[in-house]
Amino acid sequence: AQSVTQLDSQVPVFEEAPVELRCNYSSSVSVYLFWYVQYPNQGLQLLLKYLSGSTLVKGINGFEAEFNKSQTSFHLRKPSVHISDTAEYFCAVSDRSGGSNYKLTFGKGTLLTVNP
Amino acid sequence: KAGVTQTPRYLIKTRGQQVTLSCSPISGHRSVSWYQQTPGQGLQFLFEYFSETQRNKGNFPGRFSGRQFSNSRSEMNVSTLELGDSALYLCASSLDQPGRNEQYFGPGTRLTVT
Repeated sequence: AQSVTQLDSQVPVFEEAPVELRCNYSSSVSVYLFWYVQYPNQGLQLLLKYLSGSTLVKGINGFEAEFNKSQTSFHLRKPSVHISDTAEYFCAVSDRSGGSNYKLTFGKGTLLTVNP
Repeated sequence: KAGVTQTPRYLIKTRGQQVTLSCSPISGHRSVSWYQQTPGQGLQFLFEYFSETQRNKGNFPGRFSGRQFSNSRSEMNVSTLELGDSALYLCASSLDQPGRNEQYFGPGTRLTVT
């Protein structure tokens, strides 16, 4: 069984400030890791993914995340946020084994609010 | 390339009724998954279909069912609706190739049960 913990339910920041959204996971097997963003009344948009290779992953809209296997973490960062980054962010994992690649386990989400 | 489409976008049903939701994946994607999103439980996996076969299933009662057609389009059905079934139902599709298993989500169907 897998679980994902997003340590902050809400993160308020000012425009142009840096931000880090924290994600820890628990799994007995190797996993793939994802960050998704959800704007109001919309579906989920993939920000970035870690499948293998370099532990620093760059995604869309200037976001990046670092996979830390020893700490079982996958924190999302952006050096300078914009008002338009206000949204809910979800961390997710899936099992690496063949048949279960497509069952995503999500965290509860972090609401990022960027203030002027 | 067109994204994942879901119909209808909004639906209001009465307790005890049944409902069918539809999902059209991105062209070429053969894996389709369904998720339920509620304020209390968050995002929960319902099931995944590949080549018309259910490949994975989440922990939902048998009232929740789905199917996939030969063109990869998928439907999910909920019978005997309960108030707690009110949720945003999200469909996602995937290319299902090594290193390309990320899922792309549709806008969702918001189901309200009264």
